[in-house]
Amino acid sequence: GESVGLHLPTLSVQEGDNSIINCAYSNSASDYFIWYKQESGKGPQFIIDIRSNMDKRQGQRVTVLLNKTVKHLSLQIAATQPGDSAVYFCAETLPTDTGFQKLVFGTGTRLLVSP
Amino acid sequence: ETGVTQTPRHLVMGMTNKKSLKCEQHLGHNAMYWYKQSAKKPLELMFVYSLEERVENNSVPSRFSPECPNSSHLFLHLHTLQPEDSALYLCASSLGTGLNEKLFFGSGTQLSVL
Repeated sequence: GESVGLHLPTLSVQEGDNSIINCAYSNSASDYFIWYKQESGKGPQFIIDIRSNMDKRQGQRVTVLLNKTVKHLSLQIAATQPGDSAVYFCAETLPTDTGFQKLVFGTGTRLLVSP
Repeated sequence: ETGVTQTPRHLVMGMTNKKSLKCEQHLGHNAMYWYKQSAKKPLELMFVYSLEERVENNSVPSRFSPECPNSSHLFLHLHTLQPEDSALYLCASSLGTGLNEKLFFGSGTQLSVL
């Protein structure tokens, strides 16, 4: 079914700590996954993506890990900064009958970074 | 600045009003989307247009009527809305609608229906 969920609604960390945000997805046919960041008053902003043929991908201070066996996705943020405070969404793409790749979002995790 | 601009940023309307949300993208993309974002709920896909053709209508009530006159502009016409329609309405665009397409979002229109 179409279901992407997050384990924790709110994550509070200290500045400089590493943050890990988790996500569970339900469709084993999903081939592409994305993490988005949404700051207050703004729309979601792309952070990093990963294809299902990979289990890890690194960006600048961010790493996405994919475990297809348990259908789990995580976003790791190194040396978390106050500017990282936002809501983070995972999303998976699902094919539709029309050939359109539908993006299904999770409910989001709020990351709070204190100085 | 994401290259996707939405107006107005805020809108308050009564249930009998007719209003329109506007979205414009300056990215040269071919696909545009409307999403609804309610508190504590996942983003809900409403409509998708690819090359000005509607390719997805996600069981949205007819009181929401999209219009895509060209690949750079997208409208959402609203009439006789209900209070439960109050939400943040996000527009997005992408180069295409295939796999690996990254969506670029506008800042949204915060809609309140009284």
